[in-house]
Formats: sequence, C-alpha cells, structure tokens
Amino acid sequence: DSGVTQTPKHLITATGQRVTLRCSPRSGDLSVYWYQQSLDQGLQFLIQYYNGEERAKGNILERFSAQQFPDLHSELNLSSLELGDSALYFCASSEAASGAYNEQFFGPGTRLTVL
Amino acid sequence: EDQVTQSPEALRLQEGESSSLNCSYTVSGLRGLFWYRQDPGKGPEFLFTLYSAGEEKEKERLKATLTKKESFLHITAPKPEDSATYLCAGLHSGGGADGLTFGKGTHLIIQP
Repeated sequence: DSGVTQTPKHLITATGQRVTLRCSPRSGDLSVYWYQQSLDQGLQFLIQYYNGEERAKGNILERFSAQQFPDLHSELNLSSLELGDSALYFCASSEAASGAYNEQFFGPGTRLTVL
Repeated sequence: EDQVTQSPEALRLQEGESSSLNCSYTVSGLRGLFWYRQDPGKGPEFLFTLYSAGEEKEKERLKATLTKKESFLHITAPKPEDSATYLCAGLHSGGGADGLTFGKGTHLIIQP
C-alpha cells in the first residue's frame, strides 16, 4: 500500500459526459501527478500540482483539467468524454516539487470506461 | 523527443532461471532513472531510482544498474511471485516538467 488513495475504483459513463476523479496523496506529500494508462500508449504524464499550484503539464487534452485543494487532495475533471478516453487513470504523489530524489508513489488507479 | 524503450516486450522464464530486462533511453538531461513493478489492474509499485552511470541498487532478487545510455534490471533465481510488468521511466531536466516518461514495460512470467 503506497498511501495514495483514489476514488472511485471504477467508473462507467457515456460519450459526451463529464466525470471527476479524486486523489488523496501520501501524508506529507505536497506534489500530485496525474497519469493516463491505455493499452496502446502506456503510461502518459498528464499534469502535476505542487502545494495547490500547477507545476507542469504533459500530454493533457484541453477537455481535461485538474486542481489541488488546500488539504492537498486533487481532482481530475474529464469532460466531453470520447470512447478513446477509456483508460486507467493514476495519481501519484511525492514530497517535493522536483529534484532528482523526488520519488513518485502511485495510487491504485481509477478505471474509466466510456460507452 | 524524450523516449524510453524497454526490451523484451515479454519474457517467460522457468523458476530459478536468471535473466535481465533492458531499458534504453534518449532523455536529455536525465535526472533519474526509475524502475517500477506493476501487477494487473494495480498501480505501479516503486522499486529503484538510479541517478548516475555506474550506480547499482539491489532489493531481494532484483538488481538495477545504470550506464550512460541504458539501465538493466537483473532478476536472480526468480520465483512465480516475481511475475509482473516491469516499467522503466526517465525524469529529465529542463522545461519544468517533472512527470516521468515511461517505457511500455516488460511483461515477465515466471513458471513454476
């Protein structure tokens, strides 16, 4: 158990809908990262937040957004969903914003199915 | 573009048969090379971080090594419970992006 929690575990929705995924980082970690894992693309970095502020962006679509709240939990919002958005979404956390010794620890993931 | 390539894609070994997994990277300004283990339907589990060429780290039957262009994950006398997908990832400097660039993984099966 990494100490990172994610809810819900599974989510099934229809195309065009909007969903929110939630993540609570490990105690003491200030950075939260979101990743998408699909069969063909593997694990892709989406976005990072550090202590409430956006820190870095990866391959995140404009239909997706995220935020980190004062209690450090984070939410990933996915809107206008398409079939291709079906994937596993992982949250990871780390102590610092950056740095070579800033290991990331992953949560159990949310499996999103868009029908 | 930063890339991490893992080989082989899949590997089937007999219990006790040692082998190595390869991770080659073209990541500019590499700040760290990470190894994770992932079981089906679960999140990646952190194994090792390597920071400089020549560095080695060990954990039970696993040993990770790093050269200037690639990393190896050596598995010695594996057991069936070592079956998993092993992921390699690079963390690069510059651009402010601290997200990891992952390879597609090696799916390892250890047969009893």
